[in-house]
Amino acid sequence: AQSVTQPDIHITVSEGASLELRCNYSYGATPYLFWYVQSPGQGLQLLLKYFSGDTLVQGIKGFEAEFKRSQSSFNLRKPSVHWSDAAEYFCAVGAGNYGGYNKLIFGAGTRLAVHP
Amino acid sequence: DGGITQSPKYLFRKEGQNVTLSCEQNLNHDAMYWYRQDPGQGLRLIYYSQIVNDFQKGDIAEGYSVSREKKESFPLTVTSAQKNPTAFYLCASSPSGGETQYFGPGTRLLVL
Repeated sequence: AQSVTQPDIHITVSEGASLELRCNYSYGATPYLFWYVQSPGQGLQLLLKYFSGDTLVQGIKGFEAEFKRSQSSFNLRKPSVHWSDAAEYFCAVGAGNYGGYNKLIFGAGTRLAVHP
Repeated sequence: DGGITQSPKYLFRKEGQNVTLSCEQNLNHDAMYWYRQDPGQGLRLIYYSQIVNDFQKGDIAEGYSVSREKKESFPLTVTSAQKNPTAFYLCASSPSGGETQYFGPGTRLLVL
């Protein structure tokens, strides 16, 4: 079955430190992959997406993610975290076309806290 | 600016009451979606619609109903049959055949 796993429920980093959020997926074909960010009480904002081509993709707010097919992973990284990055992060996989509808499967999310 | 609006931001439901959550988009997107978000569970799809006057059940449609009379609007009704409606509800849209979904700010539904 198609699934997305975000192994870390909570992560705490110090401001200025580097960040890596893990995402593993289970999907038979080449997936479409997404990272979204959600601030408390807000909707989801798209950070970046991977469809094909270069496996290292750049997103907004200084984030990047790398697709590794051999590891079924799409980890999100940022070299230096800012206090405003504290939020919940969701990985999602586009799990195929259902009559024109591209189903998204979401992970359970990783909540990031940033210490000053 | 183009975007998705949801109203109200907070909604309170009494026992046995139906309530309707509004979702409007001016992105000219054909497809619209409703998700339910519970703590620690990610997002689960309730209903989706690819064109006007057509919609399909998602993974957790029981206790919910929708309509799609206009391209811009996709209201969700939480009926009295939904026994655990307390959650954060998110509306999204995407271009026809598009893989990327864009989300509104959400509505938090609470039960009195």
